[in-house]
Amino acid sequence: EFVVTQSPGTLSLSPGARATLSCRVSPRVSGSYLAWYQHRPGQAPRLLIYGSSTRATGIPDRFSGSGSGTDLTLTISRLEPEDFAVYYCQQYGNSPFTFGPGTTVDIK
Amino acid sequence: EVQLVQSGAEVKKPGESLRISCQGSGYSFTNYWITWVRRMPGKGLEWMGRIDPTDSYTNYSPSFRGHVTISVDKSINTAYLHLSSLKASDAAMYYCARGALTMDSWGQGTPVTVSS
Repeated sequence: EFVVTQSPGTLSLSPGARATLSCRVSPRVSGSYLAWYQHRPGQAPRLLIYGSSTRATGIPDRFSGSGSGTDLTLTISRLEPEDFAVYYCQQYGNSPFTFGPGTTVDIK
Repeated sequence: EVQLVQSGAEVKKPGESLRISCQGSGYSFTNYWITWVRRMPGKGLEWMGRIDPTDSYTNYSPSFRGHVTISVDKSINTAYLHLSSLKASDAAMYYCARGALTMDSWGQGTPVTVSS
C-alpha cells in the first residue's frame, strides 16, 4: 500500500497570508496521479486539484498545485476566511487510493 | 446540478448490520463510479472502495475487504454501503462520492453511531 504523509500537521496563519502545504507519497506514484481536497467542518470534502496541478471546476485561482511522483505542494496565495479548513492529499495511481492524514489550516 | 443524496443518520448496536444508500441525480449515473470514504472522529479520510454502476465491478481497500460490501441498483441510480457485524470502531461519518479515481461530487455524509 502506498503511504501518503503531509506536513505540517497544522498551519496557523492570518487571512491574506500565503499557505504552503506539502505532501509526500512513498513509493513514487507514476504519472501525476495526485490530488488535493478541502474539508470544512460540517461539509462534504471538495476536490481542489487533480493531476498534481489542474484545478477542478469552480476552484479559484488562488489555489495552485505543483510537483509529481513523490512530492506535491498545494499553495493558497492569499487566504480567504472560507479557506480555513483541513486539506488532504490523495494518491490515485495505485489502489487503494490512499489519503494523507491532512493539514489543518487555522486562523492565527 | 449533480447531487448525491445519502440516507440519514444511523444508531446501531454492536453486532448489527447496516446499509447506507447514496442516490445520484443530475448526471448519467452509469457513467461514473461511486467511491465510499470513511472519516472516523478526530481522524482523516480513508478510501474504502468503489463500484462501477455499469457492471457492479468492485474494488476494495484491504483495510475494509471482508467487512464491507458495496453494491448498486442502477435502475434507481443508487449505490449502497453494507457493513456487517458492527463494532464500536465502525462509528464514523461515511461519504459516497462520484468518481473512479478522484471524486468531484460528494454526498452529505451519513453519521453512524455504534453503541450498546
